[in-house]
Amino acid sequence: EIVLTQSPGSLSLSPGERATLSCRVSQSVSSTYLVWYQQKPGQAPRLLMYGASTRATGTPDRFSGSGSGTDFTLTISRLEPEDFAVYYCQQYGSSPPYIFGQGTKLEIK
Amino acid sequence: QVQLVESGGGVVQPGRSLRLSCAASGFTFSTYGMHWVRQAPGKGLEWLALIWYDGSKRYDADSVKGRFTISRDNSKNMLYLQMNSLRAEDTAVYYCARDLWDSGFKFLDYWGQGTLVTVSS
Repeated sequence: EIVLTQSPGSLSLSPGERATLSCRVSQSVSSTYLVWYQQKPGQAPRLLMYGASTRATGTPDRFSGSGSGTDFTLTISRLEPEDFAVYYCQQYGSSPPYIFGQGTKLEIK
Repeated sequence: QVQLVESGGGVVQPGRSLRLSCAASGFTFSTYGMHWVRQAPGKGLEWLALIWYDGSKRYDADSVKGRFTISRDNSKNMLYLQMNSLRAEDTAVYYCARDLWDSGFKFLDYWGQGTLVTVSS
């Protein structure tokens, strides 16, 4: 079974700084199937990015995704106050289970 | 607009059963696959189950296989999760989410607000 490992587990940054979040997959997956979600406290997750690098409707262009094979990255170029949340990657490949990473908590410094 | 509203959560004793519902509106429910995902208190997301748009195929996570059953009623725009033999570790917020395939990409594009299930004696 595929395992997704996100790092760091938590990240403390200030507004205006750049955030780099990693998602490492235990076996190579097509970037087509790598998805990122954002979850704020008390809210449901929200689709952020799919196909590793395609922004979902409403995702600001300060968010970018990259990667291939086993290593994927979500980058937030300049943090805004509303970006502080938990971010999850998910592999949604050709067959289940459609595993999530354990999440990276992005906190205000 | 797309809306997914879960219901049916609550406090239940270990070993008992519970059925969750997800009412869908704002889209043609019968043309979309649907998922259940849960989140234990303070923990991450756990994918549970997927059902195809017409109910013809279902997939479950190993952690709930044989205990939980996903189903749907397209005539009522409803998604269900039948949960049997509940355990303390099933305590979580349960979300329903819409499945979308777009140009070869697949993802969960809309989520409900979740319903809390607490398994406790």
